[in-house]
This record gives sequence, structure tokens and C-alpha cells, in this order.
Amino acid sequence: SSELTQDPAVSVALGQTVRITCQGDSLRSYYASWYQQKPGQAPVLVIYGKNNRPSGIPDRFSGSSSGNTASLTITGAQAEDEADYYCNSRDSSGNHLGVFGGGTKLTVL
Amino acid sequence: QVQLQQWGAGLLKPSETLSLTCAVYGGSFSGYYWSWIRQPPGKGLEWIGEINHSGSTNYNPSLKSRVTISVDTSKNQFSLKLSSVTAADTAVYYCARGHEWELPEGYYYYYMDVWGKGTTVTVSS
Repeated sequence: SSELTQDPAVSVALGQTVRITCQGDSLRSYYASWYQQKPGQAPVLVIYGKNNRPSGIPDRFSGSSSGNTASLTITGAQAEDEADYYCNSRDSSGNHLGVFGGGTKLTVL
Repeated sequence: QVQLQQWGAGLLKPSETLSLTCAVYGGSFSGYYWSWIRQPPGKGLEWIGEINHSGSTNYNPSLKSRVTISVDTSKNQFSLKLSSVTAADTAVYYCARGHEWELPEGYYYYYMDVWGKGTTVTVSS
């Protein structure tokens, strides 16, 4: 079982805004990072830290955090955003272990 | 631009040892957590473990008894060994570069910004 909880699937109409959430105790002290994974490809970092985008990631991707919940928001979703999204953090044990959420399948309608 | 190139045997028999290596090109080896992650077919990502440039390791407790991650700083490479594999270890294995630091307000950043392309490992008799 994962210490980070994500909804398994979310859908959004083309051009609309969607929020993908991640819950876990460790998020009270760690900012979540978010990864996009398309079929047959390696994950790609899209958001890290408070709300930072690596070079090349469109500004329609943003991140936020409150309490034990982190959110990835896509404002104006595009067809190419259809993918699996994973959150990542350290675990809450204090043993400095990494953990991923179970992933959210985003469908763009 | 940092790139990770990984390689290793893709087909193993049960009870054999999985061995993968990841080479770091175009960047410093120091100051990062060099990580291994795997993804079974049709499933999510699983963190296996990590090593820093000085050789300090952290392992997923569910795999700890079988995993060894090592580093060769002279070659800018790090490696994964997983012993006594079974069909449950069939997965795509990724190497990645991890960052972690503490902010003044007491929050931490932790993320993996560069990933290898992945190696498919199949365990079958």
C-alpha cells in the first residue's frame, strides 16, 4: 500500500481545468513532486517544490499544497495532457524513504 | 544537459540476481540522490532505493533484504543488484537523479528531475 493516496482516474473536457490530488502525512513537511507518464515512456517531472516547473513544462501546469494534501492543476487541459500522473515524496516514517502515490489516469474528453 | 544511460540483463530465471547499471553524463555526481524505481506491467511506480555520492544508501523496506545499490564515482555510475528474483520482480526499472533540500521555513523539497529510459526486466523460467 502507498502512503500517498491518489484518485485512480479523473477526466476533463478539452480546454477545461482539472485538479489531481495527493494525500499523505509526509506532505505536512515535504512538498510533493509530480510526474507525467505516457504509455511506453519514462516519467517526466512536471512540478516540484512549492510550485516550480522544470524547463519545457507548459505554464498550464501548477502545483499547490495545504495541510496533508498536494494538488496538481492543469488549466486549459490539452489532448496531449492525457497521461498517468504520479505524486512523490518522502514517507512519514522519518527513515528517509521515497514513496509514490498510486497514480491518477487523466482522460481528456 | 544531464543524461542517464542504463543497461543490464533483460531476461532472468527465478532465483538469479538482477544487475543494472546507470551512467551519468554531462553533470556532477555529487550532491544528489541516485535512485532506482521500478514499474510492474500495468501498475504504478515503486521506489526501490537510493545512494548518494559518498555511498550512503536508503532502501525500500519491502525489498531491503534483497537489494544492494552501489556507486562508482570514478566512472560516474551507480548500480542496482536484486537477488533471488521471482516473477513478481518483472518490471521496467528506471534510474533517476534525486534532489532534496530543506527550506528555511522547515519544509523540504524532494524530487527526481532526470530519468533513464528504463530497462525491461522479465523473470521467467
